[in-house]
Amino acid sequence: DTGVSQNPRHKITKRGQNVTFRCDPISEHNRLYWYRQTLGQGPEFLTYFQNEAQLEKSRLLSDRFSAERPKGSFSTLEIQRTEQGDSAMYLCASSQVGTGNQPQHFGDGTRLSIL
Amino acid sequence: AQSVTQPDIHITVSEGASLELRCNYSYGATPYLFWYVQSPGQGLQLLLKYFSGDTLVQGIKGFEAEFKRSQSSFNLRKPSVHWSDAAEYFCAVGDFGNEKLTFGTGTRLTIIP
Repeated sequence: DTGVSQNPRHKITKRGQNVTFRCDPISEHNRLYWYRQTLGQGPEFLTYFQNEAQLEKSRLLSDRFSAERPKGSFSTLEIQRTEQGDSAMYLCASSQVGTGNQPQHFGDGTRLSIL
Repeated sequence: AQSVTQPDIHITVSEGASLELRCNYSYGATPYLFWYVQSPGQGLQLLLKYFSGDTLVQGIKGFEAEFKRSQSSFNLRKPSVHWSDAAEYFCAVGDFGNEKLTFGTGTRLTIIP
C-alpha cells in the first residue's frame, strides 16, 4: 500500500494558461474523488469516479474543468483558461467500495497558484 | 443537504492537557462520520470513522469520538495532547454509500508547552 500519489505537488502558472494534475490512487481502490480546498476552508467535493465512469460532478466544476479516469486507474484533472479564483489545493482521494463501508484515503494534494 | 459545523476555529491547549473538538452535523438519515487531521501543506489523514454500532469510536494516535444522535454531534477527544498533535482537524459527514464527503471548516489546534 503506497498510498494516494498526486503530481505535481505545486504548480504556479499565469492566468489564462491550462494546467493538468495527476492522481494515482491506491491500486485496488475502485473509487476516486477530487476535492478543492481554499485557504482556511475544508475540502469541497468536485467529482468522483467508480472505475472509469464519472458518476457525479459538483456545481463547483465549471465548464473549464474536466476530469478523466480512462482505464479506471489514475485520473487527471484539467483546468482550462485558469483564473485567479482557481488558486487552491486540489486533493485526490480513493476508496474501495463493494466490500463494506470503507473510508477515503487522501493524497498530499497539488497546490495551484495563479499569477 | 448535509452540512457540518465546527464552531471552534482555533483552540489552544497546554501539552498534557485533555482536548475536545466539537462537531455538529446535519443529515437526513444515519450518518457516516469521520475525523481527519491535516498538517500544513499536507493531505488529510484519517483519525477515525463511525459507520454504525458502538457510538464510542477509537482511532489512531489516542483519539476517540462519540456519536450522539440526539445532539447531532460527533466530538473528538484525547485525554492528553502531545506537541505533535498541533494541526488542523476536520470533521466530515459522508453521503449514503460514502459517495462524497462534506467537511466542516476545520479547527486549528495549537499546543503550548
